[in-house]
Amino acid sequence: DAKTTQPTSMDCAEGRAANLPCNHSTISGNEYVYWYRQIHSQGPQYIIHGLKNNETNEMASLIITEDRKSSTLILPHATLRDTAVYYCIVSIHAGKSTFGDGTTLTVKP
Amino acid sequence: DAGVTQSPTHLIKTRGQQVTLRCSPKSGHDTVSWYQQALGQGPQFIFQYYEEEERQRGNFPDRFSGHQFPNYSSELNVNALLLGDSALYLCASSLLAGGVNSPLHFGNGTRLTVT
Repeated sequence: DAKTTQPTSMDCAEGRAANLPCNHSTISGNEYVYWYRQIHSQGPQYIIHGLKNNETNEMASLIITEDRKSSTLILPHATLRDTAVYYCIVSIHAGKSTFGDGTTLTVKP
Repeated sequence: DAGVTQSPTHLIKTRGQQVTLRCSPKSGHDTVSWYQQALGQGPQFIFQYYEEEERQRGNFPDRFSGHQFPNYSSELNVNALLLGDSALYLCASSLLAGGVNSPLHFGNGTRLTVT
């Protein structure tokens, strides 16, 4: 699985959009981009995934660049409950996923 | 609809002992993966079970072994515990036939402390 690079930490004001970047310059053609988040003392929670098209669900939007070397997870209206560690993963399937250390997002009032 | 359940939630063992952790997958899922998460780090893949067989394995020694039962539940066994085995052990389930569109569903983990 391709390696990903994420900022260690980010802050966001409550109610504003949180944009979390991820670099995956060695991604191969059949690898998907998955995002999970982990709230303190809980297991990771699936957010969204995509191959090359932008995706949106009830939790977030995923923007993948045309060359697929980077992506951005967007939480449109961040709340305090969105404070968590966010993991970006690239994989050909969901089973064996290689997690990095993720981005700690802190949403501030 | 029950999600992934793990037991016990916390466990304290002594170095050299053996431990067994248990996992029940989300209803409808047939594949179980195990991860180890050290404090402050992301989860590390241990292995994955499907049809009662180990299908993939990460970079973990043979002290780590597992089992999957006909009802898809799974156990993780760790022998000869080391202090470095202290971590949060996470179980995740998915549906193999779902492929890329069956993301991992995680339990809340078992916190293992080795003294």
